[in-house]
Amino acid sequence: DGGITQSPKYLFRKEGQNVTLSCEQNLNHDAMYWYRQDPGQGLRLIYYSQIVNDFQKGDIAEGYSVSREKKESFPLTVTSAQKNPTAFYLCASEDQITIYGYTFGSGTRLTVV
Amino acid sequence: RKEVEQDPGPFNVPEGATVAFNCTYSNSASQSFFWYRQDCRKEPKLLMSVYSSGNEDGRFTAQLNRASQYISLLIRDSKLSDSATYLCVVNDNAGNMLTFGGGTRLMVKP
Repeated sequence: DGGITQSPKYLFRKEGQNVTLSCEQNLNHDAMYWYRQDPGQGLRLIYYSQIVNDFQKGDIAEGYSVSREKKESFPLTVTSAQKNPTAFYLCASEDQITIYGYTFGSGTRLTVV
Repeated sequence: RKEVEQDPGPFNVPEGATVAFNCTYSNSASQSFFWYRQDCRKEPKLLMSVYSSGNEDGRFTAQLNRASQYISLLIRDSKLSDSATYLCVVNDNAGNMLTFGGGTRLMVKP
């Protein structure tokens, strides 16, 4: 079955550490997105990529970095510069031709310890 | 002003009730509209697209009013399993980006 997979499901980070969240899709979708969701809040866009080897900053890109070396993969690194990283991180993909909305991964819950 | 606004709720309704949510959007050039459902601590899942003519899927009916720039979702005969947060989502097509509302929380009680 086609889908979008995020790992790990839960991640704990120590102060000052960089951590990388994985997002892989086998839907052959062109566009991929990273969102952050805080408790009781809506989704905020961190980064997005509409084609391989290209990506753009979203509304809250500071303290994050991404890469898009393969169509299937769009990893997100939460750097030590992100001062409040505890949140629920959601990856999504979209087939830009059909534009039927996003398919989301099941999310990664990141906690700073 | 937020681009997509929703009443956060919660809406507390008894089983069997009919409940309606509204959502307003600020970009008059928006072309595509969706309702997503998000369960607690889970990812959002597409509930239905919203078409200009309105559309129905079982107990769910979505309407679009372009002149007033709002979208509605009506749920008839509410079930306990309908308890979730409902996200209004708008795509301006030009930038091919989805903008999410903050969500409306629904709690259906026995």
